[in-house]
Amino acid sequence: DAGVIQSPRHEVTEMGQEVTLRCKPISGHDYLFWYRQTMMRGLELLIYFNNNVPIDDSGMPEDRFSAKMPNASFSTLKIQPSEPRDSAVYFCASSLRQGAYGYTFGSGTRLTVV
Amino acid sequence: AQSVTQPDIHITVSEGASLELRCNYSYGATPYLFWYVQSPGQGLQLLLKYFSGDTLVQGIKGFEAEFKRSQSSFNLRKPSVHWSDAAEYFCAVGVGRTGTASKLTFGTGTRLQVTL
Repeated sequence: DAGVIQSPRHEVTEMGQEVTLRCKPISGHDYLFWYRQTMMRGLELLIYFNNNVPIDDSGMPEDRFSAKMPNASFSTLKIQPSEPRDSAVYFCASSLRQGAYGYTFGSGTRLTVV
Repeated sequence: AQSVTQPDIHITVSEGASLELRCNYSYGATPYLFWYVQSPGQGLQLLLKYFSGDTLVQGIKGFEAEFKRSQSSFNLRKPSVHWSDAAEYFCAVGVGRTGTASKLTFGTGTRLQVTL
């Protein structure tokens, strides 16, 4: 099993540009999570999906952030327009059976907005 | 709302020494508790988890943790630390619909340094 796959690993973009982060969860996992990690705020849950349906997006910071899961094997997190304060590491994680076996995290995407 | 406190930001231990990382949680019911480890530039790896039953749980890499309801704690331990254990450790509480651990809230992490 290749685990949770995120792309790109690193992204540098200019303020105002659109950024799209991608995630492929583990096959068969029915939950998918997007987290953001910063020094100031630690790990924050942005949004999570169950069976491709968004369940809780209360952590999405602003309308500039949006997430989709068009099918069971792919999810995107989009920031439009991006701002320097969006610079962080964004993690995707997936789980099976409502988290009963813990979450599996991807290696993250380090986003830098200049 | 649930919360997790890791009171130690940074801990340094000698290789071969024992280790205990502290974690306290706040939640009205018995939570689902987890410990994760993060090496530099990597994602988080699950070390162990507690859902119910035996309060002492064993994990990977020789780690264990004990759930103490009276103290709202879930401390992580290892009897003999190896240099490769140097990393950041996160405690997390899972709260979701009844019987689920859908939503994880993480502590701020403890950075472990191991001296040779």
